[in-house]
Amino acid sequence: AQSVTQLDSQVPVLEEAPVELRCNYSSSVSVYLFWYVQYPNQGLQLLLKYLSGSTLVESINGFEAEFNKSQTSFHLRKPSVHISDTAEYFCAVSDTENYGQNFVFGPGTRLSVLP
Amino acid sequence: DAGVTQSPTHLIKTRGQHVTLRCSPISGHKSVSWYQQVLGQGPQFIFQYYEKEERGRGNFPDRFSARQFPNYSSELNVNALLLGDSALYLCASSSGLAHTEAFFGQGTRLTVV
Repeated sequence: AQSVTQLDSQVPVLEEAPVELRCNYSSSVSVYLFWYVQYPNQGLQLLLKYLSGSTLVESINGFEAEFNKSQTSFHLRKPSVHISDTAEYFCAVSDTENYGQNFVFGPGTRLSVLP
Repeated sequence: DAGVTQSPTHLIKTRGQHVTLRCSPISGHKSVSWYQQVLGQGPQFIFQYYEKEERGRGNFPDRFSARQFPNYSSELNVNALLLGDSALYLCASSSGLAHTEAFFGQGTRLTVV
């Protein structure tokens, strides 16, 4: 079974500053990794995912995450945040069969971007 | 195209009552999964249905049940509601069993009083 740790429950950051949201996972098998974003009173939106290939994956709105197998991490980074990035961010892991029952979410990190 | 739609958006129920939540997947998607998100936590898997058959069940009591209809829409039923069932219930839709391309609805906020 997989598990996900997001050590930072809350991350306040000033607008235009860089940010890193940490995600570590545990698994005995090969995994797929995901970052989802949840804006207030909304469902989850897929931000980016790692399935295979390049360990650095990017989203269309400037976020990137790097899969580090040796450190079992998939940290999310953005070089310059905007007020609109304020949201809850969830890291998720699944085994490569990737069925719903194998999809495990972390507890989430609340990113607050301050003016 | 419509995304994943869930109804109702909000619901208040009393302990011991029964509740039915509904989900319509994206057109052409045959898989629906249900997740429970308690305040301050990540979503937890409840059920996955694919082609009208249950294909996965999370660690939830038998008070939770679900089904999928011929048009691939789905219902989640919860009997004998407890205060601890208060949560955001999310539905995810995908074309196949895999969640690599899953899309989530806005959720149903259930409050049990």
